[in-house]
Amino acid sequence: DVKVTQSSRYLVKRTGEKVFLECVQDMDHENMFWYRQDPGLGLRLIYFSYDVKMKEKGDIPEGYSVSREKKERFSLILESASTNQTSMYLCASSFPPNYEQYFGPGTRLTVT
Amino acid sequence: GEDVEQSLFLSVREGDSSVINCTYTDSSSTYLYWYKQEPGAGLQLLTYIFSNMDMKQDQRLTVLLNKKDKHLSLRIADTQTGDSAIYFCAEVSSPLNAGNNRKLIWGLGTSLAVNP
Repeated sequence: DVKVTQSSRYLVKRTGEKVFLECVQDMDHENMFWYRQDPGLGLRLIYFSYDVKMKEKGDIPEGYSVSREKKERFSLILESASTNQTSMYLCASSFPPNYEQYFGPGTRLTVT
Repeated sequence: GEDVEQSLFLSVREGDSSVINCTYTDSSSTYLYWYKQEPGAGLQLLTYIFSNMDMKQDQRLTVLLNKKDKHLSLRIADTQTGDSAIYFCAEVSSPLNAGNNRKLIWGLGTSLAVNP
């Protein structure tokens, strides 16, 4: 059974803190994605990775960075958290040829 | 550029059929998807259709694809209260030289409310 896990379901951080969100998949997928989801804005792609140590910016990369040292793990880093980064963060993975994405349960991050 | 559009809200009575519509712009899309998101959860793949198909049926779900109009629909028969969720339409992005690192282009989601 396909499994994508995220390190936390809920997280509360203070402004200026460095925040790590981790995602692990057990399906040997090449592609991994980080999205944020806000009401009325749908899913917005932050970064994605198509191989170990490879990454590409998505639509809203500002304020975020990512790390992919191992195929199964993709980390999202908020270098200095701000209140406008309060959101639901979703991780996903996919593989060719269908490219259907499998999602983790999400991390609801609140920055105060 | 690539874009996917869908209406934001749909309200139906329990037992009726629901039809959620989606339009897309990339005529070279190979796969189109429907995902379901229940409150507070991640997205779950409901079904997908390959671009050389016109229709796909899976139990209560029917997907119709009109490639000429770039229109995709999801019909849920005998809608139940458990079907209340947000439904997302998505297509595979197909830029030149994308290779295997393809992302999905998402609609904003249709919030389906099922009334008893």
